[in-house]
Amino acid sequence: QVQLQESGPGLVKPSQTLSLTCTVSGGSISSGSYYWSWIRQPAGKGLEWIGRIYTSGSTNYNPSLKSRVTISVDTSKNQFSLKLSSVTAADTAVYYCARGDYYDFGYYFDYWGQGTLVTVSS
Amino acid sequence: DIQMTQSPSSVSASVGDRVTITCRASQGISSWLAWYQQKPGKAPKLLIYAASSLQSGVPSRFSGSGSGTDFTLTISSLQPEDFATYYCQQANSFPPWTFGQGTKVEIK
Repeated sequence: QVQLQESGPGLVKPSQTLSLTCTVSGGSISSGSYYWSWIRQPAGKGLEWIGRIYTSGSTNYNPSLKSRVTISVDTSKNQFSLKLSSVTAADTAVYYCARGDYYDFGYYFDYWGQGTLVTVSS
Repeated sequence: DIQMTQSPSSVSASVGDRVTITCRASQGISSWLAWYQQKPGKAPKLLIYAASSLQSGVPSRFSGSGSGTDFTLTISSLQPEDFATYYCQQANSFPPWTFGQGTKVEIK
């Protein structure tokens, strides 16, 4: 059973860089044709896809965040990471990591981490 | 970006009721749509993919239909564990993948 677990600081100061890591267990991050994504959810609001990475290192980002986002992968540690720069209070949210797998029509998120709350505040 | 609009935003229902949630895409997305269930404090869970295919382990009282721009999630007989928020997600036009704003199913 694949499991994902987010880790990183729960408090980040405005203008600084948010850094989170997702550790994948129960399977190799390099096996299969999976994409590994970050998704966030402000309190009481909906879901926003941030970006994804393939184990080759190929990335795609949400255009609304592209200038501030970097997603990377470390296959030796079975982890992938998110960096979001120049954060403001609007970046306060629960951040999820998730696995995208191909099901007939398109990639869907079939495994998720439990989520980690990141608050941007001085 | 493709905008996903769900209706209603919330619905009050009783155990045993049939519940229908609608999701409309701002442009055609064929059958590239998923439905997720999210309970408070938990991550979303994949229920339906490719508009109408049931994810493994999901009860058969959940069903999905539609194609193009209009989609429906139906719960045939609402159970206590089904009270949650439901999201649709389009997987056709990328980036970005986008979600609906959510529909909260509440106890009547």
